[in-house]
Amino acid sequence: AQTVTQSQPEMSVQEAETVTLSCTYDTSESDYYLFWYKQPPSRQMILVIRQEAYKQQNATENRFSVNFQKAAKSFSLKISDSQLGDAAMYFCASRMDSSYKLIFGSGTRLLVRP
Amino acid sequence: NAGVTQTPKFQVLKTGQSMTLQCAQDMNHNSMYWYRQDPGMGLRLIYYSASEGTTDKGEVPNGYNVSRLNKREFSLRLESAAPSQTSVYFCASSLRTRNNEQFFGPGTRLTVL
Repeated sequence: AQTVTQSQPEMSVQEAETVTLSCTYDTSESDYYLFWYKQPPSRQMILVIRQEAYKQQNATENRFSVNFQKAAKSFSLKISDSQLGDAAMYFCASRMDSSYKLIFGSGTRLLVRP
Repeated sequence: NAGVTQTPKFQVLKTGQSMTLQCAQDMNHNSMYWYRQDPGMGLRLIYYSASEGTTDKGEVPNGYNVSRLNKREFSLRLESAAPSQTSVYFCASSLRTRNNEQFFGPGTRLTVL
């Protein structure tokens, strides 16, 4: 079965500092996709960044980057120069190439201290 | 473009009542999805529709039915609501491509008393 685990229920970061959110996953397939979604208090789910498993290069979107370790089945999100607007729930998710289903982790609440 | 819209935004039901959650997208997406989000958990897939005319069960389909009315609309029906169905419900849509980003609606908060 496909699973996604986020072991950090809550993280805190000082504004302008860097924080890393952890995610591990389990799959027996070789082709899959990984995502990080942000959910602010408005409840809207917003895609932050995605990674294709067949790409070795780590994805980057402005201040957001991932550390994708395929052998370790690890997919962490690094947020640089944290801003107050980054405060939200962050969900890691995976999707197998053979399926339409997104499997979500339980989420990490990120607090940003001014 | 409105993206993915859901109605209603909030709903309170009594045990045993029925209701339909509506979802529509204007992005010409092939695939649509219904998720539920419970406190302390990520989203879990209830049902999905890979393309118009098809629907399939997700992780937690019991107690729900769906209808893919046309390419734009995908509804979720609770025939006899139970307190365990108290949750926030999200609809999403995507293109039917290999690297499909799912776009989410704003959610419906449902309380069953």
